[in-house]
Amino acid sequence: AQSVTQPDIHITVSEGASLELRCNYSYGATPYLFWYVQSPGQGLQLLLKYFSGDTLVQGIKGFEAEFKRSQSSFNLRKPSVHWSDAAEYFCAVGTILTGGGNKLTFGTGTQLKVEL
Amino acid sequence: EPEVTQTPSHQVTQMGQEVILRCVPISNHLYFYWYRQILGQKVEFLVSFYNNEISEKSEIFDDQFSVERPDGSNFTLKIRSTKLEDSAMYFCASRGQGSEAFFGQGTRLTVV
Repeated sequence: AQSVTQPDIHITVSEGASLELRCNYSYGATPYLFWYVQSPGQGLQLLLKYFSGDTLVQGIKGFEAEFKRSQSSFNLRKPSVHWSDAAEYFCAVGTILTGGGNKLTFGTGTQLKVEL
Repeated sequence: EPEVTQTPSHQVTQMGQEVILRCVPISNHLYFYWYRQILGQKVEFLVSFYNNEISEKSEIFDDQFSVERPDGSNFTLKIRSTKLEDSAMYFCASRGQGSEAFFGQGTRLTVV
């Protein structure tokens, strides 16, 4: 069965510093990988996704992620964090369903705090 | 920009009562989902719905839960007899031909 591990529950960075959020997955086939962000009281917003091809994917808000098959990782990065990036970040792996569509298996999330 | 809309944003219900959570998916989407997030825990898959039937459901989605797309635009989740442990944030999501799901803002269900 697929699973996602986000080892860091909380991370605090200073505004302007670089950021890397870790994500490891377990999945038998080529994974569909996603990063979502959840601001307080908000829903889940897609930051970026990986399906195939270039292993470095660019997303919204200046985020990028790199798929490394050998490490089963899909870490999220941002070169310079802004105070508005404070939120909870979820990594997810997508599984194709035989009945159509797919379902997402989420990690436990990483809460990002940004110090001014 | 099209978005998934959920109502209400917060629902308080008494234990044992039926509750219906409503969602309006993005209009040309074909696949519909419900997820839930118990406070402090991860987001969990409940059910997927395609072509007017359930395509997969999790072990959480027992006989107390049902989904319906009654009129071609709304997508509802019904909990027949709510329990305290049903208290959670419920997210509706929809997907078109692309592979990413778009999520609504969620409905916070509180069972008292």
